[in-house]
Amino acid sequence: GDSVTQMEGPVTLSEEAFLTINCTYTATGYPSLFWYVQYPGEGLQLLLKATKADDKGSNKGFEATYRKETTSFHLEKGSVQVSDSAVYFCALSRRGGSYIPTFGRGTSLIVHP
Amino acid sequence: ETGVTQTPRHLVMGMTNKKSLKCEQHLGHNAMYWYKQSAKKPLELMFVYSLEERVENNSVPSRFSPECPNSSHLFLHLHTLQPEDSALYLCASSQAQGAHTGELFFGEGSRLTVL
Repeated sequence: GDSVTQMEGPVTLSEEAFLTINCTYTATGYPSLFWYVQYPGEGLQLLLKATKADDKGSNKGFEATYRKETTSFHLEKGSVQVSDSAVYFCALSRRGGSYIPTFGRGTSLIVHP
Repeated sequence: ETGVTQTPRHLVMGMTNKKSLKCEQHLGHNAMYWYKQSAKKPLELMFVYSLEERVENNSVPSRFSPECPNSSHLFLHLHTLQPEDSALYLCASSQAQGAHTGELFFGEGSRLTVL
């Protein structure tokens, strides 16, 4: 079955540091890939997505590139802010297959001033 | 504002109470979901309604009962809950077919505490 593996957290960084959160996946076919973010006290919201190989999703300074050869979709940001402190979820959804998405366990990011 | 509204945002109930969580989506989607989010645990899919068909996680206890009267409304009926059911319950919606890529739109969640 489909699966998504994220790096264990929490990830603790100082403001303006570079961020990478690793995500790898297992799926048949050609899934769409997503990063969701959950700020404290809120639900999840879509951060960015990519629907085919080599696509780059970007939003709010975050980027992730769909790498089919390594089955990865790592999240990066060049300079994090305290306001980026949240839990980040990697997920996939297969077109033409089950419409139920598969989520990773989530990675907590804590950014200190 | 995500277009998915959950009420109540907070609920405290005793183990013998009966209550319901409500979710409404204004996005024209045809699939709605209930997820349970507990501390230190992965997001747990509980139920999915898509095109009036229900898919359920077989590990969800029968004290949770979903209802989807139409494509815009979803309820989670709660009865005889246990303290370990205390969690954040998230509703989501999506477009289940066609050219859509399958992203979910989540509500802000209902924080449930069972005493």
